[in-house]
Amino acid sequence: GQQLNQSPQSMFIQEGEDVSMNCTSSSIFNTWLWYKQDPGEGPVLLIALYKAGELTSNGRLTAQFGITRKDSFLNISASIPSDVGIYVCAGHNNDMRFGAGTRLTVKP
Amino acid sequence: DAGVTQSPTHLIKTRGQQVTLRCSPKSGHDTVSWYQQALGQGPQFIFQYYEEEERQRGNFPDRFSGHQFPNYSSELNVNALLLGDSALYLCASSVISSYNEQFFGPGTRLTVL
Repeated sequence: GQQLNQSPQSMFIQEGEDVSMNCTSSSIFNTWLWYKQDPGEGPVLLIALYKAGELTSNGRLTAQFGITRKDSFLNISASIPSDVGIYVCAGHNNDMRFGAGTRLTVKP
Repeated sequence: DAGVTQSPTHLIKTRGQQVTLRCSPKSGHDTVSWYQQALGQGPQFIFQYYEEEERQRGNFPDRFSGHQFPNYSSELNVNALLLGDSALYLCASSVISSYNEQFFGPGTRLTVL
């Protein structure tokens, strides 16, 4: 099935920097979700978004549901070493579609 | 509160064999979804079970089948294994009223030789 497009594929940043990543689709979704996945582990839900234009925060993480309902954005402020991992977006209509992830590396 | 658990954690099979993977949902959850995740890719939806019935199915062949038990736990069966079936198999549970908020287990790593 059609998967979502995430960018960038990978990021190398310095501790303390802010991070932005996004997820786009040719299809409209009713729900957007952001997960963090460590290698060989299952994804862990970070933020769920239910309405176009919605902006939701979870600590230093902020995600937005795009107005067109075809995209979503995740920002991490003041990154710390434990933010390292793969951030995976998902869109939901009748079933869940996932992106391939953005791999984040944080240098101390 | 136990989260989603899966067994086994790792499995090695040969082509043509059959495999059964198991999942116990998070306490209070009644819906189980299964996903296949190839290396470097996002999870791909296989199917979802609710009230012991397959509720939805992704684009996977009939070699992939499942079952849900009265206690909401679930099994994924794959017959006639192919090399391309090697992947991380993820189980996710949710409540049917908010089935888009899915909580994932740690996965079962299946290797087909």
